[in-house]
Amino acid sequence: GQQLNQSPQSMFIQEGEDVSMNCTSSSIFNTWLWYKQDPGEGPVLLIALYKAGELTSNGRLTAQFGITRKDSFLNISASIPSDVGIYFCAGRTSGTYKYIFGTGTRLKVLA
Amino acid sequence: SAVISQKPSRDICQRGTSLTIQCQVDSQVTMMFWYRQQPGQSLTLIATANQGSEATYESGFVIDKFPISRPNLTFSTLTVSNMSPEDSSIYLCSVEEKGQASYTFGSGTRLTVV
Repeated sequence: GQQLNQSPQSMFIQEGEDVSMNCTSSSIFNTWLWYKQDPGEGPVLLIALYKAGELTSNGRLTAQFGITRKDSFLNISASIPSDVGIYFCAGRTSGTYKYIFGTGTRLKVLA
Repeated sequence: SAVISQKPSRDICQRGTSLTIQCQVDSQVTMMFWYRQQPGQSLTLIATANQGSEATYESGFVIDKFPISRPNLTFSTLTVSNMSPEDSSIYLCSVEEKGQASYTFGSGTRLTVV
C-alpha cells in the first residue's frame, strides 16, 4: 500500500542534542499525526495536527503541519536516552477514515 | 483515550496452523482496525473490522487468510490462517474513538511462525 516518505531513516545523536525529522507525501492531507513506538509496544500518539501551518508542542516535542499540506516536521529538543525508538508520521486526506503511515525514523541516543 | 487489551502478546506457532488474536477495548468505539508490521517495517492496514458485518479488506489481504470477527463495539478478533514463516510479524489492533481524529493502538501480538 501507499506509504509516506520519512527522513532520515535512522539517526544516532548525542544526549542533549536537538533532533529533526520530516515526512513528505505526494497527496494533500488534512490531518497529520506523529507516533512513537518503543520495542515490544504499539505506537503511542505524540502530537496531532489539523491545520496547515499549525505548530503544536508536547513537552520537548514540537510538530508542524507544512503549509503545502504535503509535509510535516517533528523536532525533539535536548534529547534524552528514553527518546530512543521509532517515530512514525501518519496522514489522512479528507473523505477517508484511513491513515497512511510513514516509513519510520529510528532514533538512537548516545549517552 | 481508550485502553486496548490485546492477547496473546506473543506466540510461536507451527506452519500450517492458525492463531486467533483478540482485541478488547474498554469503551465502545465505532472504528476498529487490524494492522500488520513486518520486521523493521512500517504499519500496513489489513482490514477495517465492521460491527455486525464482514470486514473491509485492503488490497493484498483476503478473508480466507485473515478472517475477522467483530460481534460488538468493544471486541474484535483476527485469525491468521494456515500460517507460513512469511506471516511472522507484529499484528496490531487500533481504534478511532468518536470525536477524535487519531488512532489508539494496542500493544501488539508478536507472531513467529516456525
